[in-house]
Amino acid sequence: DAMVIQNPRYQVTQFGKPVTLSCSQTLNHNVMYWYQQKSSQAPKLLFHYYDKDFNNEADTPDNFQSRRPNTSFCFLDIRSPGLGDAAMYLCATSRAGTANEKLFFGSGTQLSVL
Amino acid sequence: GDSVTQMEGPVTLSEEAFLTINCTYTATGYPSLFWYVQYPGEGLQLLLKATKADDKGSNKGFEATYRKETTSFHLEKGSVQVSDSAVYFCALSPIQGAQKLVFGQGTRLTINP
Repeated sequence: DAMVIQNPRYQVTQFGKPVTLSCSQTLNHNVMYWYQQKSSQAPKLLFHYYDKDFNNEADTPDNFQSRRPNTSFCFLDIRSPGLGDAAMYLCATSRAGTANEKLFFGSGTQLSVL
Repeated sequence: GDSVTQMEGPVTLSEEAFLTINCTYTATGYPSLFWYVQYPGEGLQLLLKATKADDKGSNKGFEATYRKETTSFHLEKGSVQVSDSAVYFCALSPIQGAQKLVFGQGTRLTINP
């Protein structure tokens, strides 16, 4: 049974048209993460939530926002997608966010920008 | 900043061959080290980890040893199977602060029967 669920699996949007990707978890974990993975590159952390506490990475573009309305759900909003934002977006969770802890990943959403 | 460098792929082997995927890292202090695996159509899953120097992580026949002196965490398996075909990611997490994985670029492994 999937524990971190990302919808949709594939998302197509138009250049400049806002898009929202969703992630839900059944693990009741405190921490939720969003990673961006471009083709043949390493996944790159965009931001994470520790409970309701939002933590943005220094080099995450302002175009990317996130919401976590409750423990189970977290959303990635891209306000004005550019062609360079086409990527796989990975959601992950962890229980407490300590350094040696295991992350649980969803299957990802592949975003295409036309 | 912290970084992880993995052996470039793709890697293609025959079943029962010996596997090594090289991974080296650059980090301040002593990070925790991980190997994650991504099977086709699935999310990343933790394969094994090591949290201090000389620790050996192992799972499903895979092993990796945390080598501080060479800043390496190479993944090995003595006899691979077709079902091991996947993308393998080496990653580190700085010891201080939250769990913020820094990944290598991934190595695609294909095992032929």
